[in-house]
Amino acid sequence: DAKTTQPPSMDCAEGRAANLPCNHSTISGNEYVYWYRQIHSQGPQYIIHGLKNNETNEMASLIITEDRKSSTLILPHATLRDTAVYYCIVRAYNAGNMLTFGGGTRLMVKP
Amino acid sequence: EPEVTQTPSHQVTQMGQEVILRCVPISNHLYFYWYRQILGQKVEFLVSFYNNEISEKSEIFDDQFSVERPDGSNFTLKIRSTKLEDSAMYFCASRGQGVIEQYFGPGTRLTVT
Repeated sequence: DAKTTQPPSMDCAEGRAANLPCNHSTISGNEYVYWYRQIHSQGPQYIIHGLKNNETNEMASLIITEDRKSSTLILPHATLRDTAVYYCIVRAYNAGNMLTFGGGTRLMVKP
Repeated sequence: EPEVTQTPSHQVTQMGQEVILRCVPISNHLYFYWYRQILGQKVEFLVSFYNNEISEKSEIFDDQFSVERPDGSNFTLKIRSTKLEDSAMYFCASRGQGVIEQYFGPGTRLTVT
């Protein structure tokens, strides 16, 4: 799996958009970008994934640059409940089963 | 919305004792996983299970660990002789056929004294 780099922490004001960056400059053509989050000590929660097109679901949007070397997870209107550690994971769709979690970005949403 | 459940939420055991952690995956899912997270550290993969056999395991998953799907609904992780360093949150996850996202349970906090 390609290595990912994320800032260790970020702050965001409640109600504003939270933009979480991820660098994955060694990503290969068959690797997807996945985002999970972990709220406090709960189990990780799947958010979204994409290959090269931008994706949106009810939780977030994923913007992937044209060269696919970086991406941004956008929470359009962050709430206090979005305070969590966000993990960017790159892996091939048909790769082995395991998810490899890095350190992630600790997002603090402030009132 | 269907979800993965785990029992117990907290298990305290003495070093050397056997523990069994239980998980009920989402009902139509076919792929099952165990991960653990030592306090303050990263989430680590332990093992994946499909079609009644282990499909992948990490170096952490040594002979002290075993997994089983005893009855078609439960998925268990057994630690034969617990060590202090086995103290961690243990997360079960499952995923469906043809999709890649894994759904995690709330975890079991294992404390070995």
